Order: sequence, then structure tokens, then C-alpha cells
Amino acid sequence: GGIITQTPKFLIGQEGQKLTLKCQQNFNHDTMYWYRQDSGKGLRLIYYSITENDLQKGDLSEGYDASREKKSSFSLTVTSAQKNEMAVFLCASSIRSSGNTLYFGEGSRLIVV
Amino acid sequence: GDSVTQTEGPVTVSESESLIINCTYSATSIAYPNLFWYVRYPGEGLQLLLKVITAGQKGSSRGFEATYNKETTSFHLQKASVQESDSAVYYCALGDQGYQNFYFGKGTSLTVIP
Repeated sequence: GGIITQTPKFLIGQEGQKLTLKCQQNFNHDTMYWYRQDSGKGLRLIYYSITENDLQKGDLSEGYDASREKKSSFSLTVTSAQKNEMAVFLCASSIRSSGNTLYFGEGSRLIVV
Repeated sequence: GDSVTQTEGPVTVSESESLIINCTYSATSIAYPNLFWYVRYPGEGLQLLLKVITAGQKGSSRGFEATYNKETTSFHLQKASVQESDSAVYYCALGDQGYQNFYFGKGTSLTVIP
């Protein structure tokens, strides 16, 4: 088995600040994803990456940057934190041979003060 | 567009009662939809409960079942007799064979009363 580790679990920052979330996976999966979950809503895709150094925008990419420097890690940067984007950010990975099943981290909660 | 709609929660049932959580999907740009149920138990991360990648097939796990019905574009989650340990948030999701987006429902919070 493997695990996806997201850090930090809680990220507190000030409005306008640049904030970064990190994700590590040891599944050796090719594809990694960042989703945002707002209260009472489904998950929405921010960025995904199908291999090292690849980046693909999702429906919610505006205001975010991502980086995939290694196969095992995928980071997400909020370029200018806003109070209306306090949410839980979920990292996931998948491998095509598993029917594209997503494996998730436990989530990171963003708090903007 | 592509989307998923599921039963709005919260849902409360008594232990040993039957359960159905409805899920319907729209897959206008996905040629071969894969359907999933994910679950988040209290204090844990989101995890796969079951998946079906072929229309007409049924998936099952932990006593839950869901059948991929292409005619009605549905993938309802059912369990004959729920347990308190089934209390969780359940998400229906739609994906495809490629590296594209997955579409998630808003989640259904289930509480099972002992």
C-alpha cells in the first residue's frame, strides 16, 4: 500500500499573502491532482499533472500556481489569499491501470485572516 | 456538460434499516464514463468505496452495491441493512479513461442511529 501526505494540515495566512501547500505520494503514481472543496459543494479540480514537470489547468486554476518537480510531489500555491477561498484542499494521485481510481490525502484547510 | 447530482443530505436512518442514496450523471463529453462512490469516514481521508467502469455491471463493497445504468444515467448506492459504522459522507463521481477531470457530487452526509 501507499500513502499521500499533505502538509500542512492547517495553513493560516493573511489576505494577499502567497501560501503553499505540499503533497507527497509513495504509490509511484503518474498523475497527481489538487482539488478544492468548499462547504456543501463537491470537489472542484484546480490543477493536475500527468508526469513530472507537466501541469494541466482544471476548472478552478485562476489564482493558483502548481509545481511538479518530482514524480512523488505536487505543490499548490495560492498566489494571493482571499477570505472567500477558505476551503479544504485535497491532493490525490492515480494510475491508469487501476481504472483511474483516485487516492486522496487527508486534506489541508486554508484559513485566511 | 458533464456533471453529477446526488441525494442532498443530511440523511438519518436507524441501524438495520435499508438505505438508498441516489446519483445521476451527465456525460456529454466522456465517451466511456467510469462511475465511483467515494466515502469519508469521520477523521479519515476520502477513499474509494466502489467503482464500475462498464455499463450494466454492479459494484459492491462493505455491503454496499451500485449498478451502472446507462439508460437512466444512474448509479444509486444501496445497502440492505446499515450499521452505525456506516455513518460518513458519501460522494458519487464520474470520470473517464484518460487523465481528465473527475466530476463529483456535493456529497451526502449519512448518520446511522443505533
